[in-house]
Amino acid sequence: DAGITQSPRHKVTETGTPVTLRCHQTENHRYMYWYRQDPGHGLRLIHYSYGVKDTDKGEVSDGYSVSRSKTEDFLLTLESATSSQTSVYFCAIGGSGKAEAFFGQGTRLTVV
Amino acid sequence: QKEVEQNSGPLSVPEGAIASLNCTYSDRGSQSFFWYRQYSGKSPELIMSIYSNGDKEDGRFTAQLNKASQYVSLLIRDSQPSDSATYLCAVNGQGGSEKLVFGKGTKLTVNP
Repeated sequence: DAGITQSPRHKVTETGTPVTLRCHQTENHRYMYWYRQDPGHGLRLIHYSYGVKDTDKGEVSDGYSVSRSKTEDFLLTLESATSSQTSVYFCAIGGSGKAEAFFGQGTRLTVV
Repeated sequence: QKEVEQNSGPLSVPEGAIASLNCTYSDRGSQSFFWYRQYSGKSPELIMSIYSNGDKEDGRFTAQLNKASQYVSLLIRDSQPSDSATYLCAVNGQGGSEKLVFGKGTKLTVNP
């Protein structure tokens, strides 16, 4: 999987609790992305990063924050989880310019 | 208008036929175009990339790009049941950004 590891792979959490998902890469890619995938919506971009401490919003960023303190790690935080954030979350690396993007294995998050 | 549009399908073809998948995008400044295949419960995997007008062939797959019409397509020749999956179109460079934006995907079923 192109040196991308997402953790955890599965998580069940309660409404209102904070949740952090981690994406770790060993490929030294500058660009990293967080997407969520829901039936009928495809892959929607949450946030992306173009370098350490450099991040920008995607189309569905409300309720999410990100941090990138090291090239290899990109963290996605749900400050106060809601049931609408139940989804499968994918991290991707690469994807800038002509670079191809590669995906992690995904994290299935359920908010109850 | 969504940035990247695909026919949601589902698309059903008999084994051995040609499957044609289509994608349109909104920004003429888009630079790079990708097709991903996603099996149920798995992460997307890259199958084709195309950057200039015309056709690009790789085995049974042909990607076609027409920037004037803002249209990109994927042809799968001699379709096999193992090609049954959801196919995602992705575009980079819209709005001058490095966001990698996906369409909702087209579900393809190849019937034996």
